[in-house]
Amino acid sequence: QSVLTQPPSASGTPGQRVTISCSGSSSNIGSNYVYWYQQLPGTAPKLLIYRNNQRPSGVPDRFSGSKSGTSASLAISGLRSEDEADYYCAAWDDSLSGHWVFGGGTKLTVL
Amino acid sequence: QVQLVQSGAEVKKPGASVKVSCKASGYTFTGYYMHWVRQAPGQGLEWMGWINPNSGGTNYAQKFQGRVTMTRDTSISTAYMELSRLRSDDTAVYYCARATAYGPAYYMDVWGKGTTVTVSS
Repeated sequence: QSVLTQPPSASGTPGQRVTISCSGSSSNIGSNYVYWYQQLPGTAPKLLIYRNNQRPSGVPDRFSGSKSGTSASLAISGLRSEDEADYYCAAWDDSLSGHWVFGGGTKLTVL
Repeated sequence: QVQLVQSGAEVKKPGASVKVSCKASGYTFTGYYMHWVRQAPGQGLEWMGWINPNSGGTNYAQKFQGRVTMTRDTSISTAYMELSRLRSDDTAVYYCARATAYGPAYYMDVWGKGTTVTVSS
């Protein structure tokens, strides 16, 4: 059972916009930044969004992040087949002397 | 470029220990915390803990306390994660991941490719 809650799956057709939600609590999302990682099959996670809505260089602007209260969202616009992957949200949690927590992951299928 | 190279796959019997290495290059090893994250087959990411490569200080997730030990050898820019008393549900890919700065709350930006640990009798 993951501390951050994500839907297990999401889907869309090429060109569509999809969003993936991530719900937490006051000790994690409510008081700290949210991060998003993309994991393609058989590879290590790759940083997609940092500090709620910032994109590392090289990440297309089709990917965007937002946060409100104890929830966050990742939006992917202009969906492409290569976006098919698992997406994880993450946040620092202030409880128990501080630790990192992840969402359970959302498998995105491009139909 | 910044790179984390992990040791190869391991197969262990229940009750044994495993030690995974993570060799850093392309940056000052002691200037960035290192995290360990694991992923069981078909499951999500699970944070295990961090090590301060400068001081050797560590902090482990509650779930792993008493079974995990994170160490480092600054002379070869390598971090280690040792997990003892292995069980079948420890079968997973173990990743090292560098924090973006000197502190445990900085996010992870560079990841190793992962080390598969299989626990089977």
